[in-house]
Amino acid sequence: GQNIDQPTEMTATEGAIVQINCTYQTSGFNGLFWYQQHAGEAPTFLSYNVLDGLEEKGRFSSFLSRSKGYSYLLLKELQMKDSASYLCAVTQNTDKLIFGTGTRLQVFP
Amino acid sequence: ETGVTQTPRHLVMGMTNKKSLKCEQHLGHNAMYWYKQSAKKPLELMFVYSLEERVENNSVPSRFSPECPNSSHLFLHLHTLQPEDSALYLCASSQEGAGGQADTQYFGPGTRLTVL
Repeated sequence: GQNIDQPTEMTATEGAIVQINCTYQTSGFNGLFWYQQHAGEAPTFLSYNVLDGLEEKGRFSSFLSRSKGYSYLLLKELQMKDSASYLCAVTQNTDKLIFGTGTRLQVFP
Repeated sequence: ETGVTQTPRHLVMGMTNKKSLKCEQHLGHNAMYWYKQSAKKPLELMFVYSLEERVENNSVPSRFSPECPNSSHLFLHLHTLQPEDSALYLCASSQEGAGGQADTQYFGPGTRLTVL
């Protein structure tokens, strides 16, 4: 079966760096997505990793290790607007997305 | 962001009512999805349509009935729902490629459904 684990909640301070981890077990792995979801809004695409390594996109970076079934999302220079839920999702074979429960990040001044 | 729109944004209905949720995508995509998001649970895939044909039905009760009249529109018809069906219903779309890497799904803002 499939299993995706990520922490339920995290807190951090404005200007700091935070790393949100995601571990997964799935068959037919075809890449991992990170989405950001503000309360009451649509999930928005942040990153996609299919090969091992780090993908950097501005203040956000995402890392994948396929052999370890592990990914993380790194947020630098945190801003108050980064307070949101961060969803880890893995794809199977036919682009079926399996989501984790999400990590709710609160950024404090 | 108006790539994927959903109406209504909020819906309250009794268990005997019949209602429909509507989704429209303006991205030229060829695949559309319905998801259910309940509190403290992962997003659950309900239905997938590819080129207007249903390709996935994730053991969803028959009180939920999807319809995809064309590649830009997707409906979810609801009847005789239960209180536990109260959730955020999200629509998404993607452009399916010829193979290889997965396709990014773009989500609408969702319909917050409350069943009394």
